[in-house]
Amino acid sequence: DIQMTQSPSSLSASVGDRVTITCRASQDIRNDLGWYQQKPGKAPKRLIYAASSLQSGVPSRFSGSGSGTEFTLTISSLQPEDFATYYCLQHNSYPRTFGQGTKVEIK
Amino acid sequence: QVQLQQWGAGLLKPSETLSLTCAVYGGSFGGYYWTWIRQPPGKGLEWIGEINHSGSTNYNPSLKSRVTISVDTSKNQFSLRLSSVTAADTAVYFCAGGEYWGQGTLVTVSS
Repeated sequence: DIQMTQSPSSLSASVGDRVTITCRASQDIRNDLGWYQQKPGKAPKRLIYAASSLQSGVPSRFSGSGSGTEFTLTISSLQPEDFATYYCLQHNSYPRTFGQGTKVEIK
Repeated sequence: QVQLQQWGAGLLKPSETLSLTCAVYGGSFGGYYWTWIRQPPGKGLEWIGEINHSGSTNYNPSLKSRVTISVDTSKNQFSLRLSSVTAADTAVYFCAGGEYWGQGTLVTVSS
């Protein structure tokens, strides 16, 4: 299985901060990666697909980058509605695997 | 706009079989691999498996011996069966396809 190592596991930030979350794959997954946001009691919502493509309707403050084994989700200016848990998901190989999640909390 | 609506029993006893169904409304049913994902309380997401409209499946090896995913193209539905459940299978189960997700179903396994 491909291991997806996500860091940090949690972070505290203020509104307006720039936030960066990283996922590292245990082997080359090209750009077969998505980023998801999950709020308590809700289904995850896809923010980014193909590592860097913004899902329709998602604010432009979210961006994704990377390929191969290193990937980054950046929130350029954190907004109150962005406090949530974020997951990466690789769909290069089976079984599909998620990162362990990053909880973004209010400082 | 594609919408996924899922349903199934929420309380099971150990050794019983979990059964969930997900209906897809709107869009092209043939356009995606339809997926089941679960999330134990307070924990991360686990990919269970997927099926396409032709019935081709892929399963997580960790669950493969107990999982069956099936499709009914006449109803635009797909289903999950997980046999011999234990407390470790207690989780919220989600159906998904592409960027679309169901609302989630909490399944609790308890004697």
